[in-house]
Amino acid sequence: GENVEQHPSTLSVQEGDSAVIKCTYSDSASNYFPWYKQELGKGPQLIIDIRSNVGEKKDQRIAVTLNKTAKHFSLHITETQPEDSAVYFCAASSRSSYKLIFGSGTRLLVRP
Amino acid sequence: DTEVTQTPKHLVMGMTNKKSLKCEQHMGHRAMYWYKQKAKKPPELMFVYSYEKLSINESVPSRFSPECPNSSLLNLHLHALQPEDSALYLCASSQRDRGNEKLFFGSGTQLSVL
Repeated sequence: GENVEQHPSTLSVQEGDSAVIKCTYSDSASNYFPWYKQELGKGPQLIIDIRSNVGEKKDQRIAVTLNKTAKHFSLHITETQPEDSAVYFCAASSRSSYKLIFGSGTRLLVRP
Repeated sequence: DTEVTQTPKHLVMGMTNKKSLKCEQHMGHRAMYWYKQKAKKPPELMFVYSYEKLSINESVPSRFSPECPNSSLLNLHLHALQPEDSALYLCASSQRDRGNEKLFFGSGTQLSVL
């Protein structure tokens, strides 16, 4: 079955710096890669997603890149702010599947 | 409106109690999910309902009993739970977008079993 590895497990950056979180997946059939942000005491919130026919997608300060050949995808956050502090999960799924395979999560701390 | 509403937000129960968790969405999504999340871990899938029928049961113990009364509501009935069942229980619903399910989560019910 699909396996998603996520690194790093924790990341501390200074406010204004960039943050990068990386994930690797194993199943070639995976074609959809969402990213979730989870703040303390809340459920995961979908922040951006990308499909296998796209190499990069941006939404304001966040961007996701996908390398289908290497089975890598990454989340980039620019100009980080304290409110970006949260746990971020990458995930992967295949067409018509209800199963979302999550990475282990990255705890991001943005220091003011 | 991309909101999934869960009640209660917190629940403390004894091992002999029976309780229910409730979830509601009004986005017209046809699939609804229960996930369990332990601290510092990713969510783990428990059940999936598709068009009000149980589609996936991830070998969950029978002390957890899901119910989907209609397309907007999802319940999780709890009975004779164990302390290790203490966790955040998340409900989600999804819309099919170009062949893939896009999931939206509620805020969860923090369950403590004493």
